[in-house]
Amino acid sequence: HVQLVESGGGVVQPGGSLRLSCAASGFTFSSYGMHWVRQTPDKGLEWVAFIRYDGSNKYYADSVKGRFTISRDNSKNTLNLQMNSLRTEDTAVYYCAKDAAAATLTYYYMDVWGKGTTVTVSS
Amino acid sequence: EIVLTQSPGTLSLSPGERATLSCRASQSVSSSFLAWYQQKPGQAPRLLIYAASSRATGIPDRFSGSGSGTDFTLTISRLEPEDFAVYYCQQYGSSQTFGQGTKVEIK
Repeated sequence: HVQLVESGGGVVQPGGSLRLSCAASGFTFSSYGMHWVRQTPDKGLEWVAFIRYDGSNKYYADSVKGRFTISRDNSKNTLNLQMNSLRTEDTAVYYCAKDAAAATLTYYYMDVWGKGTTVTVSS
Repeated sequence: EIVLTQSPGTLSLSPGERATLSCRASQSVSSSFLAWYQQKPGQAPRLLIYAASSRATGIPDRFSGSGSGTDFTLTISRLEPEDFAVYYCQQYGSSQTFGQGTKVEIK
């Protein structure tokens, strides 16, 4: 049973940092690229970042480039998102999602999603 | 950035009726790299359709996708009670963007 479980969400002040994690199980984690996607009532779904299956390439949305860092530990089946210099507009539910294609150079669509973790940036 | 515009914003239909949802892209979506997702309240999105017209594993055949270039459609042939939800399109041919969603509600 393929499963993704996010953790690490919470309340943080503007300018602060937070680290999200996603524990993966039920599939060969090291063979698939992984995404972070966030959702707000106002802006809907927004893709945040992608990391290749081997961690060699990372891609970011312009809105988070330079502030967020995606990483993975294939030995622990874990995906991470380090979020620095947080802004109020980063408030959202953050989803970890599995890319559908195995061992590819780029990203495709997401075929498995976690339940999400909530990040609130507020003073 | 490719902007996806979904219409209508809300679709009010009865169980058994046909639902037709539109997704229009501001530029051509390369290789028909377009997906559709269903989301119910309090749940994560669920993949329905990829590559514009391919059904994901376990998705009933009442769901179908079509289109190419800039115009795409998701059709639900006969609405079941569990189909009332919000539907999003997503393009993955040039970075990644999502449409704003269409809510299918019970009339």
